[in-house]
Amino acid sequence: EVQLVESGGGVVRPGGSLRLSCAASGFNFDDYGMNWVRQAPGKGLQWVSGINWNGDNTVYTDSVQGRFTISRDNAKNSLYLQMNSLRTEDTAFYYCTRGIGPPPPSNSPGHCFGPWGQGILVTVSS
Amino acid sequence: QSVLTQPPSVSAAPGQKVTISCSGSRSNIDNNYISWYQQLPGTAPKLLIYDNNKRPSGIPDRFSGSKSGTAATLGITGLQTGDEAEYYCGAWDSSRSASYVFGTGTKVTVL
Repeated sequence: EVQLVESGGGVVRPGGSLRLSCAASGFNFDDYGMNWVRQAPGKGLQWVSGINWNGDNTVYTDSVQGRFTISRDNAKNSLYLQMNSLRTEDTAFYYCTRGIGPPPPSNSPGHCFGPWGQGILVTVSS
Repeated sequence: QSVLTQPPSVSAAPGQKVTISCSGSRSNIDNNYISWYQQLPGTAPKLLIYDNNKRPSGIPDRFSGSKSGTAATLGITGLQTGDEAEYYCGAWDSSRSASYVFGTGTKVTVL
């Protein structure tokens, strides 16, 4: 069974940093692109960032470009999101999700996303 | 701000059919695959339709997807109470810097 488990969330002050992790199991991790998607409480989905199978290609939504860094460790079957200079508007549930799309050696994070982790809450507040 | 527009809500009685529209542009829906996601209350989203009209394993054929130009549609037939959820469309957007965009979301209510 495919499982994605996020960790590392919590409460942080504006301007602070946080690192999210996603532990993957049940599939060949290095065959897939991976992505982070967030959802502010009571709001819709917003794609945050994606990475291809080996980490050579990373993409970000404009509002986090330069502040967030996505990375992966295929030896540890893990995905990460380093979040710096956090703002109150970054408060959200953050979901780790597997990309579905062209197999390696594609540079795509995936055409679409599934399955998804259970989500982890990040709260940015003073 | 989402660039894919969906109706805020749709509703129908059990056993009936509903359709959800997703309106975009040439840079997203017209030139890229569309996907649909179901988010039951209090849970993570789930992939419902991918590559415009394909269903992942385990998704019943009551759910269908279609695309024409800059618009896409999700159809749900034989509506069940368990289908009450928020539904989102999504696609890559090729304008300026490539990014994935989700629709505004549609709440399906079973009357």
